[in-house]
Amino acid sequence: GAGVSQSPSNKVTEKGKDVELRCDPISGHTALYWYRQSLGQGLEFLIYFQGNSAPDKSGLPSDRFSAERTGGSVSTLTIQRTQQEDSAVYLCASSLLFSGTGYTFGSGTRLTVV
Amino acid sequence: AQRVTQPEKLLSVFKGAPVELKCNYSYSGSPELFWYVQYSRQRLQLLLRHISRESIKGFTADLNKGETSFHLKKPFAQEEDSAMYYCALALVTGGGNKLTFGTGTQLKVEL
Repeated sequence: GAGVSQSPSNKVTEKGKDVELRCDPISGHTALYWYRQSLGQGLEFLIYFQGNSAPDKSGLPSDRFSAERTGGSVSTLTIQRTQQEDSAVYLCASSLLFSGTGYTFGSGTRLTVV
Repeated sequence: AQRVTQPEKLLSVFKGAPVELKCNYSYSGSPELFWYVQYSRQRLQLLLRHISRESIKGFTADLNKGETSFHLKKPFAQEEDSAMYYCALALVTGGGNKLTFGTGTQLKVEL
């Protein structure tokens, strides 16, 4: 596609439920990143994919968080047993391998856990 | 470990006044630095990168390795510059650029 697409744009879920967030990167971008944006916290790195593998998942906050990428394209971030502190905007970005031009970001998924 | 510091959460200036958004970094390697901007209700987007030494929308940023800084500057602020600005440091890892972001500075340009 022309840009990075994320869905849903908004998600309200009850505490304890599982959620899945989807990211569709720019076609041909081999690198895909997930970040979390919280008020006053800036952008927190979660996980990075190169193709379908995740060389760096150091930012995942707990084992309730997982992510996968299939076909070198679409990625899904899953949060199990959601907690209120998981409420944030989850951003996906993609880039060309060894790109010096930075990332292209999606518009994010705003997750609210009630 | 690499770190990016943006000391100001909020910067308020009058239209036409000079703007300087501060960014300091710590990184043992050769840094690659970026400024990203997020306008209200829009997605985060790249503003400029130090390797291109370009001016975008009147903004410039010079890498000062001695002071480990990459401050964003504009001589005359415009109302449309009001936005959230993030400084970011790239770490090449496993074949990709992992960006470490600062906490951001909200720029408010007042009339």
